[in-house]
Parts: sequence; structure tokens; C-alpha cells
Amino acid sequence: DTVLTQSPALAVSPGERVTISCRASESVSTGMHWYQQKPGQQPKLLIYGASNLESGVPARFSGSGSGTDFTLTIDPVEADDTATYFCQQSWNDPFTFGSGTKLEIK
Amino acid sequence: EIQLQESGPGLVKPSQSLSLTCSVTGYTITSGYDWSWIRKFPGNKMEWMGYISYSGSTNYNPSLKSRISITRDTSKNQFFLQLNSVTTEDTATYYCARLDGYYHAFYVMDAWGQGASVTVSS
Repeated sequence: DTVLTQSPALAVSPGERVTISCRASESVSTGMHWYQQKPGQQPKLLIYGASNLESGVPARFSGSGSGTDFTLTIDPVEADDTATYFCQQSWNDPFTFGSGTKLEIK
Repeated sequence: EIQLQESGPGLVKPSQSLSLTCSVTGYTITSGYDWSWIRKFPGNKMEWMGYISYSGSTNYNPSLKSRISITRDTSKNQFFLQLNSVTTEDTATYYCARLDGYYHAFYVMDAWGQGASVTVSS
């Protein structure tokens, strides 16, 4: 299975720019997607196909990357962005998820 | 607006079967898309379990293939998860989700239920 590795946690101040990384153990082309999960809520799709913004998601969120290295950027960060962010690949079978990066807003 | 809602027992004994229902409103599950189950373990690890397509075909994660079954009741617009021979390692929050492989050009989960917490314990 394709293993997706994320850093466990980040802490930033409101107004700053934050990048969250996801590295795949093998190429997933651009079949990488990002989800936001706030405490007590279900995951929400933010970015699909590495760089495409899901409808209704603020333009502060953006994604980049291809192959094995991907980045989710939030610029500027707001207090409401406190959440865990997961990457997920659907290029290789079975679909797999990263372990999540917990973002704390100071 | 589509909504998905999981339901089922919150406690299951080891070696028994786990059964969950996902009730869908706002979209007819035979009209399109695939309908998926995902689980999140304590500690945040997430696992895609499988899906049933709008036509009724299924696709399962090979790690679960011998234990999992996803079925549906089209008259009630529901789909179901059955996981057999559970152990404490199956303790998790179980989510149902709509899986889109067409409009997004990639397979993504673009609508999720709130999740159902299931504990496996004697």
C-alpha cells in the first residue's frame, strides 16, 4: 500500500502562512487530496487533484505538488483553521490516508 | 443538499459482527457515485474500507477482504457495512461518505456522515 507521511503537529499565529507537507512512498501523480477535520466534526474536502480548490472552500487554502511530494498552504491562517489536516491518495489501490497534521493557532 | 447519517450499535463483543447503516438524504444512491466506508482509529489513523457503486458492484480494501461486506437497500436509500470476526483493533469511529470519481476527476470523498463510534469489548 502507498504510505503517506505527514508531520504530526504545527503551531502558528493568526495572519501567518503555514505549509503542511505530505510525502508518498511511491508516485501518486496528482491523485492527492486534502481534508480538514475539526474536533467533533466529520472530515471536509479542501483540495483535490493536488491543486484544485473544492467549491466553497476559501481561496486562503491552496495545494501543490506531484509525484511523491505535496503541500497544503493556508495563507493567511485564521483562528478557525484549528483542525487536523489529512492527505489522501486515490492514484494507487487501495486508497490511503496520511496520519494527519494537527494545526494549532496560537 | 446531500446528508449522510451513520447508525448502529456502539458496543460489539469480540468475535461478533459489526453492523452499521448509512442513511442518505438529498440524493438517490442508485443515481450515481459510489458509497464508501472509512474508519478512524484512536490516534488518528484513517483507513478506507470499501465502497458499493450506484450499480451495486463492490470494491474492498484487500486488508479487510475476508471480513467485510457492503450492501444496500435501494428502497430505503441506505447502504450497510458488515465487518465479521471483530477484535479490539476494530475499535474506531466509522464514517460513511460519498465517493466521487467523475466530477472531481479523481476518487475523493466529497460528503461525509458525522461518524459512529464503535467499541469492541467484552
